[in-house]
Amino acid sequence: EIVMTQSPATLSVSPGERATLSCRASQSVSTNLAWYQQKPGQAPRLLIYGASTRATGIPARFSGSGSGTEFTLTISSLQSEDFAVYYCQQYKNWPPVRAFGQGTKVEIK
Amino acid sequence: EVQLVESGGVVVQPGGSLRLSCAASGFTFDDYTMHWVRQAPGKGLQWVSLITRDGGSAFYADSVKGRFTISRDNSVNSLYLQMSSLRTEDTALYYCAKERGKVIDYWGQGTLVTVSS
Repeated sequence: EIVMTQSPATLSVSPGERATLSCRASQSVSTNLAWYQQKPGQAPRLLIYGASTRATGIPARFSGSGSGTEFTLTISSLQSEDFAVYYCQQYKNWPPVRAFGQGTKVEIK
Repeated sequence: EVQLVESGGVVVQPGGSLRLSCAASGFTFDDYTMHWVRQAPGKGLQWVSLITRDGGSAFYADSVKGRFTISRDNSVNSLYLQMSSLRTEDTALYYCAKERGKVIDYWGQGTLVTVSS
């Protein structure tokens, strides 16, 4: 079973600053990695898939990188609407059992 | 526009059973693998189960294997989750989600299941 570990648990950032979130897989998932954003009271929203491809409508300030076991989500200049919880998820081909990280909360500093 | 609308969440006693439903619209339902994902109050996301587009294969998280059964009826564009032997730790908001190219790309708003005596 692949375990996804995110760090830090909470990230305090001022608006306009850069935020860097990390996700580590317990074994290689190649680039089969997605990032989701969840705001309070809302369903998650897909941000990034294939480790680095932005989903439709996602602003360019969101970028993803990494492969294998180490991944990063970067928000280049935080806007007020970006304060949320972010989850990574692996979708390696087999077995198709999916795993989410425990989430990183990005809060206003 | 993709829409996923879950229903069936209620308060149920430990050991009880429940069936969740998800009505899908805005896309060709039988072209896509579908998922259930849950979120306990104040906690993170936990993947529960997936079913392939023809219903021929299903996979489960270890925590629900043998107790939950995922199914679908492509004739009415619906996804289901039959839950039995429910435990207090199954208390969560249950999301129905659509997959595209192995990536979950759309989520419903969830239905709340509370397991409590």
